[in-house]
Amino acid sequence: SQQGEEDPQALSIQEGENATMNCSYKTSINNLQWYRQNSGRGLVHLILIRSNEREKHSGRLRVTLDTSKKSSSLLITASRAADTASYFCATDRSTGTASKLTFGTGTRLQVTL
Amino acid sequence: SQTIHQWPATLVQPVGSPLSLECTVEGTSNPNLYWYRQAAGRGLQLLFYSVGIGQISSEVPQNLSASRPQDRQFILSSKKLLLSDSGFYLCAWSSWFIENSPLHFGNGTRLTVT
Repeated sequence: SQQGEEDPQALSIQEGENATMNCSYKTSINNLQWYRQNSGRGLVHLILIRSNEREKHSGRLRVTLDTSKKSSSLLITASRAADTASYFCATDRSTGTASKLTFGTGTRLQVTL
Repeated sequence: SQTIHQWPATLVQPVGSPLSLECTVEGTSNPNLYWYRQAAGRGLQLLFYSVGIGQISSEVPQNLSASRPQDRQFILSSKKLLLSDSGFYLCAWSSWFIENSPLHFGNGTRLTVT
């Protein structure tokens, strides 16, 4: 079953606006990660937030994590057309060295000029 | 720097035919290796992962198998493809010695079973 569920499924904004995507999950996690996927390509890791962290920044990205609500959000500020892609959250429930990530269904972001 | 190669990029196979997808990693030793499948409009499903040569863990029962004959080589196989095996197959690696190492993905193989 899917651990992470993103909301909204699709988002269309204009260049310069902020984009917010949300992710909910069901069980306890070690960390939560966000990935980006351009159409027909592999996923690219964006940012990781550990279960004991509440907020993390990386460039124009801001991620929050609320373990009490089992939810996370990804904010992309000052969006650009090049940000057009699908964004996935992934929860890590692994106990060993391997990262057994469970991915959500993704949010398709369209940034128009 | 580390790179991951996955081939072929696209593949059309008839039902009942065998399958072999290959993935190789360069620039790192003893990586953890993964096979994921992505169905159209859906998230990724972990199929197999490996923490070492000959060590394969299966996450879901299915018509597929995986092998790791060399440290940086991961192969996904099937003896007889089903229509339901169609999808986008992604290979990935992570570092065994970095805690919470992110996954690094190849560019995927789009498999269509006809």
